[in-house]
Amino acid sequence: IAGITQAPTSQILAAGRRMTLRCTQDMRHNAMYWYRQDLGLGLRLIHYSNTAGTTGKGEVPDGYSVSRANTDDFPLTLASAVPSQTSVYFCASSDGTGGTDTQYFGPGTRLTVL
Amino acid sequence: GQNIDQPTEMTATEGAIVQINCTYQTSGFNGLFWYQQHAGEAPTFLSYNVLDGLEEKGRFSSFLSRSKGYSYLLLKELQMKDSASYLCAVKDSNYQLIWGAGTKLIIKP
Repeated sequence: IAGITQAPTSQILAAGRRMTLRCTQDMRHNAMYWYRQDLGLGLRLIHYSNTAGTTGKGEVPDGYSVSRANTDDFPLTLASAVPSQTSVYFCASSDGTGGTDTQYFGPGTRLTVL
Repeated sequence: GQNIDQPTEMTATEGAIVQINCTYQTSGFNGLFWYQQHAGEAPTFLSYNVLDGLEEKGRFSSFLSRSKGYSYLLLKELQMKDSASYLCAVKDSNYQLIWGAGTKLIIKP
């Protein structure tokens, strides 16, 4: 059981290019999340999905889009990358059934936009 | 606005005890989490508190006072592998996690 996988591990991207970060979980979790982590700042929520077929905006959604066609996959797309999107991106999932609802994280994607 | 405060960096000695504090001001409260994050790796879950008091889990304990908006993570019998960042996060009224910037813990022999 892999848990949560993300691809690519790292990427250098030219500004203006389109990029999709992939996230797949095999825990059958209902909820999935995308965060970015920047030095000196806490994790910031970009988008989330409480269940397949639904998505919502987090704290910093501008410039990003997501889709949730099925339970397992939650890709994050940068339509036209800008240097301020240079960051480490973490995908997470939780069972979304209330209570503790602990979030479990993927290994991250380190993205550099030049 | 919503705010989570924790010290940026702390240093402790192998075998000792260290307490990492976290204060919060959020719109609503539905639980507080502590995560550990080693450099270059993903955050991993350590503890969860929703009621006041102390939760003990091996060498790690976490305390919560909701009236004071305060929590701490207590690490005992420190080991070199405990060198990591420790993240405090609060689940707000929308059931979203609000994260602190993390406390980098440096363990010296």
